[in-house]
Amino acid sequence: DIVMTQSPDSLAVSLGERATINCKSSQSVYYISNSKNYLAWYQQKPGQPPKLLIYWASTRESGVPDRFSGSGSGTDFTLTISSLQAEDVAVYYCQQYYSTPRTFGQGTKVEIK
Amino acid sequence: EVQLVESGGGLVQPGGSLRLSCAASGFTFSSYWMSWVRQAPGKGLEWVANIKEDGSERYYVDSVKGRFAISRDNAKNSLNLQMNSLRGEDTAVYYCARDSTFGFYDNSGYSTFGDHWGQGALVTVSS
Repeated sequence: DIVMTQSPDSLAVSLGERATINCKSSQSVYYISNSKNYLAWYQQKPGQPPKLLIYWASTRESGVPDRFSGSGSGTDFTLTISSLQAEDVAVYYCQQYYSTPRTFGQGTKVEIK
Repeated sequence: EVQLVESGGGLVQPGGSLRLSCAASGFTFSSYWMSWVRQAPGKGLEWVANIKEDGSERYYVDSVKGRFAISRDNAKNSLNLQMNSLRGEDTAVYYCARDSTFGFYDNSGYSTFGDHWGQGALVTVSS
C-alpha cells in the first residue's frame, strides 16, 4: 500500500496569513500516460464529514474558494491557504488514488494563532 | 443536491454483526461507484470498500476482507455494508461516499476520491 505522510501534524497561523501543508507519498502517484497526479485534498471541520477541496493535485472542486491551491508532482505535494480565514480552521487530509487501496495522510490540524 | 444519509449504527458486542445502510438522492445512483470510509475516534480516514455501478465488482481493504460485505440496491438508491465478526478496532464513524468518475481502474480495483460524503454513522464495538 502507498503510505501518505503529512507535515506538520498541526500548525497555527494568524488570520490573513499563509498556511502551507505538505504531503509525501511512499511512491510516485504520477501516471505518465495521462500526465496526471492522482492526489486529492480534503477539509474536515469538527463533527462534519470530509469535504473535497482539490483533485488531480491542483484542480479545485467547484465552489472551493480560490485561496485554496494545490501543487506538486510525483511524491511531494503541497496544499496552500493563501490568506487564512476563521472558517478554515479544520483538519486537512491528502489522499492518493493511484492504487487500491486508496490511502490517506494522517491529517494536519490548522488553527488560528 | 446530492444527499447521502447513513443509518444502522450502534453498539455491538465483539464478534457480533451490524448492517449499515446509506440512502442516496439527488443524482443517478446507478451511474456511480460507491464507497464506505471509516474514521476511528480522534483518528484519520480509512477507506473500507467500494462497489461498481451495477454491483458486479467489489473491493475491500485487507483488514475487513472476509468479514464485511458491501452491496447496493439500485432500484432503492441504497448502499449497504454488512459487518460480521466485529472487533474493537472496527469502532469508528462510517461514512458513505460517492466515488468520483475520475479514477484509476486496474485488476486491483477502482481507486478514486469521494466527491460527496454522508454525515456518518457511529459503530461502537464493545462488551
